[in-house]
Amino acid sequence: DAGVTQSPTHLIKTRGQQVTLRCSPKSGHDTVSWYQQALGQGPQFIFQYYEEEERQRGNFPDRFSGHQFPNYSSELNVNALLLGDSALYLCASRSILPKNTEAFFGQGTRLTVV
Amino acid sequence: GEDVEQSLFLSVREGDSSVINCTYTDSSSTYLYWYKQEPGAGLQLLTYIFSNMDMKQDQRLTVLLNKKDKHLSLRIADTQTGDSAIYFCADFLMNTGFQKLVFGTGTRLLVSP
Repeated sequence: DAGVTQSPTHLIKTRGQQVTLRCSPKSGHDTVSWYQQALGQGPQFIFQYYEEEERQRGNFPDRFSGHQFPNYSSELNVNALLLGDSALYLCASRSILPKNTEAFFGQGTRLTVV
Repeated sequence: GEDVEQSLFLSVREGDSSVINCTYTDSSSTYLYWYKQEPGAGLQLLTYIFSNMDMKQDQRLTVLLNKKDKHLSLRIADTQTGDSAIYFCADFLMNTGFQKLVFGTGTRLLVSP
């Protein structure tokens, strides 16, 4: 079992550009959440996807959007990048049923905006 | 409200016990988690405790939960240099139709030989 896998591992983008990050959940998991971890901070919840729909959203602007595919994998898109978007982006997966709340995280994508 | 707080730094000697503390504010907490993050890496799930439990032991790890005071602690017995990392406490909020993890800012544990 490969666990939660994210790609790419590192990315450098210029202000104003758009970026897409990818996540494959752990086998058997159907729910994917995305978190942003700024340097020296704890992860902050961006949004959660289940059954290909955004189910919950944290306090992030509309520039942050996502998608979930039929195979449960997910993408995080960020438009009009700002310097402040530089962070480690973490994907977490879990299974809705049974009520298993163990959330497993990927290694993250380190995004640097210059 | 949703808030999780941790002390920022803890330094111990190899072989000693480490105790990392965490406080949370939300009354609807169902599970509380401890994650470990090594430099440049993602989050590794260490253990978790259901909110109706007081204690959970898993090898060198002991989690204590005081639900009345909303206080959680992680004790690492016989701490090793490989335990040096940042430890995050996370509160799993599961209100109707809404589920998310709320993290503290992390406690940096430094284990010296």
